[in-house]
Amino acid sequence: EVQLVESGGGLVQPGGSLRLSCSASGFTFSTYAMHWVRQAPGKGLEYVSTISYNGGSTYYADSVKGRFTSSRDNSKNTLYLQMSSVRPEDTAVYYCSVGIVATMNDYWGQGTLVIVSS
Amino acid sequence: EIVMTQSPATLSVSPGERATLSCRASQSVSSNLAWFQQKPGQAPRLLIYGASSRATGIPARFSGSGSGTEFTLTISSLQSEDFAVYYCQQYNNWPPYTFGQGTKLEIK
Repeated sequence: EVQLVESGGGLVQPGGSLRLSCSASGFTFSTYAMHWVRQAPGKGLEYVSTISYNGGSTYYADSVKGRFTSSRDNSKNTLYLQMSSVRPEDTAVYYCSVGIVATMNDYWGQGTLVIVSS
Repeated sequence: EIVMTQSPATLSVSPGERATLSCRASQSVSSNLAWFQQKPGQAPRLLIYGASSRATGIPARFSGSGSGTEFTLTISSLQSEDFAVYYCQQYNNWPPYTFGQGTKLEIK
């Protein structure tokens, strides 16, 4: 069974940093690209980032480019999102997601809430 | 960036009736279109991919159609558990893949 478990969310001040983690199991983590998608309170889904299977390629939404960094440790089956220079508009539930069979987002974690506020 | 537009924003339907949700892309996405269901406090769940293929475990009352720029999600006979928010997503041109703003399906 595919499982994705995010952690690391919390309250952070504007301009601060936070690192999210996503622990994966139930599939061969090292062979699949991984994605971050976020959802602001009461709003829709927004693409954040993609990292290739080996970490060699990364992609970012314009809204986070230059501030967020995706990385992965295939030996630990873990995906990371390093968030820097955070803004109030980064407040959201952050989901990690993987596409195994059908699309880019077949499976989702339960999400971790990030609140950017002073 | 491809803009996905869903209509209506809210749809009120009685249990047992049919619901039809629409999604339009600002340019062709071929058949690279997915539908997700999201209930309050839960992660999105994949329903449909490739515009018309049901994901594993999705009941047959859910069906998708369309290609190019116009897509439809149909729920043939609404069950109580189907009342939720539905999002379409294009993954033809990325990054970024993009989502519609969602349609809230509520009980009439």
